[in-house]
Amino acid sequence: GAVVSQHPSRVICKSGTSVKIECRSLDFQATTMFWYRQFPKKSLMLMATSNEGSKATYEQGVEKDKFLINHASLTLSTLTVTSAHPEDSSFYICSARGQGAMRDGFGSGTQLSVL
Amino acid sequence: GENVEQHPSTLSVQEGDSAVIKCTYSDSASNYFPWYKQELGKRPQLIIDIRSNVGEKKDQRIAVTLNKTAKHFSLHITETQPEDSAVYFCAASIGGTASKLTFGTGTRLQVTL
Repeated sequence: GAVVSQHPSRVICKSGTSVKIECRSLDFQATTMFWYRQFPKKSLMLMATSNEGSKATYEQGVEKDKFLINHASLTLSTLTVTSAHPEDSSFYICSARGQGAMRDGFGSGTQLSVL
Repeated sequence: GENVEQHPSTLSVQEGDSAVIKCTYSDSASNYFPWYKQELGKRPQLIIDIRSNVGEKKDQRIAVTLNKTAKHFSLHITETQPEDSAVYFCAASIGGTASKLTFGTGTRLQVTL
């Protein structure tokens, strides 16, 4: 149980374009989804927390207008990196949480490269 | 907010030896402490976790201990194998599994033959 799917796994885009990353909970209802960012050989840094049907809560220093998060259903959350720049290049990974002791897991991550 | 420190940043052990990774946390309200194993380019995988009402938990070769008074917790891997080589992250949260995690800085474990 607790299968979390994340797409795409890798994306290369030009500077100035927007990129959407999807995170789905496949076998449980995710009441909360978390979006993390991980730089090479570094730890995971929480960007924002989203609860289904409400606005995301962003961590200090994370631009909400740049990293748009939508959690429209109990199985899907999306992160859109708007007007991407090379400094946005990173590994983005979601985590979904539901009810119950084993109802949580990480997505497989998305490696974003902005040229 | 919560701050989690993790040591060492790198650890090299010979196959069959034990490995210990230590973490400290700052917020006494934290009550859930998971450990993750992450291989290069892959998602973190939960390997063991412990809650604040328990002092120790063991799962085969892996064990975790928690000292609430000192606000530190440790991961112990016995009889290490080459496939244990990975980056290990500790984390802490307030509110249990449904809450956001604050991660430690990671430990790169290398098990040599």
